Amino acid sequence: NAGVTQTPKFQVLKTGQSMTLQCAQDMNHEYMSWYRQDPGMGLRLIHYSVGAGITDQGEVPNGYNVSRSTTEDFPLRLLSAAPSQTSVYFCASRSGLASNEQFFGPGTRLTVL
Amino acid sequence: GQQLNQSPQSMFIQEGEDVSMNCTSSSIFNTWLWYKQDPGEGPVLLIALYKAGELTSNGRLTAQFGITRKDSFLNISASIPSDVGIYFCAGLYSGGGADGLTFGKGTHLIIQP
Repeated sequence: NAGVTQTPKFQVLKTGQSMTLQCAQDMNHEYMSWYRQDPGMGLRLIHYSVGAGITDQGEVPNGYNVSRSTTEDFPLRLLSAAPSQTSVYFCASRSGLASNEQFFGPGTRLTVL
Repeated sequence: GQQLNQSPQSMFIQEGEDVSMNCTSSSIFNTWLWYKQDPGEGPVLLIALYKAGELTSNGRLTAQFGITRKDSFLNISASIPSDVGIYFCAGLYSGGGADGLTFGKGTHLIIQP
């Protein structure tokens, strides 16, 4: 049981490049989410999904797209990276929207030059 | 939206000292969660609290769910070097916010030799 996994662990992009951050969980959790963590800002919710085929915006969704074709996977896409998207990104999952315990992946550190 | 005020923002303590931190909000929550984040890692769940007034321990850690449901406290007794990290509180309220989960901005714990 690997929990929540994320790839890559580190990534450097040039402004305007696109990329996908991968997230997978093997706990059969319905609910998955993406956060970004910046110094002094805590964890901010980007997008979330309450189940396969259903996604919604969080607090800071601009510049990011998501999709949820399977229960296990929840990729985060940056279509045209900007320096403001330099951050550490965390994927998380919990069994349901009302579930009490949320588990996080190890994070992806992204730098946009 | 709901907001959590977590304090202190940082703590510089000596090994062996006890640590106290808290989170307060103007909103009520159904669940309080406390996480620890080690450098370069994702947040790891330490304690989950489900009922107002509940006091729960996990080794040297003790957390309490405030009676008003608007606050929570985390205490660490006899701190050791591996306690260094960022501690986050999170409040969960079904139907609150984008996904019901609101995070504090974290308390940086630094232990001086």
